Amino acid sequence: SAVISQKPSRDICQRGTSLTIQCQVDSQVTMMFWYRQQPGQSLTLIATANQGSEATYESGFVIDKFPISRPNLTFSTLTVSNMSPEDSSIYLCSVRLAGEGTQYFGPGTRLTVL
Amino acid sequence: GNSVTQMEGPVTLSEEAFLTINCTYTATGYPSLFWYVQYPGEGLQLLLKATKADDKGSNKGFEATYRKETTSFHLEKGSVQVSDSAVYFCALSPLAGTASKLTFGTGTRLQVTL
Repeated sequence: SAVISQKPSRDICQRGTSLTIQCQVDSQVTMMFWYRQQPGQSLTLIATANQGSEATYESGFVIDKFPISRPNLTFSTLTVSNMSPEDSSIYLCSVRLAGEGTQYFGPGTRLTVL
Repeated sequence: GNSVTQMEGPVTLSEEAFLTINCTYTATGYPSLFWYVQYPGEGLQLLLKATKADDKGSNKGFEATYRKETTSFHLEKGSVQVSDSAVYFCALSPLAGTASKLTFGTGTRLQVTL
């Protein structure tokens, strides 16, 4: 398995500002993902974070709104830009280990936008 | 495409009752199947998994059997506890190498009362 940490664990932000969420894994992983979980909903994949290249975004998500970095095999950031109350969600980092088909999830970042 | 269908919640049970949460899937080939659990205020934890037909995943008293003939992966527990109160997500990952993505069900909320 993998131990995944996220910072911050929660935040309350003002409309129009941006927040960067960090994800750190304790082992080298093949793939890192970012998900959004809106209140009372299931998980929606935002993008796959690729090391050293641009992230791969799912339909409905764009780089200008959710820029992602992955400078190495164990760290990634997701920025939620120009926030609105509709961005209030839990944002989860997820990883897949080399040689495994299982995905592990971080504890999530609970974002409230006022 | 791939899809996962879970029974609607919430499911409310008394402590020590028998639990079944139904999960059926649609996928091409032979996907891996997972149950994740999300306790209040936390991220997702892998509960159990099965990677081929007739495999039984088990953990913490929970079990699920990969039934290819009925395309199902129902979650069961013989005697639930108050501490099992959480949201349970069924998910699949197609066997398409490391590029495969998780498809989640909508989640089933379980509430266990004394």
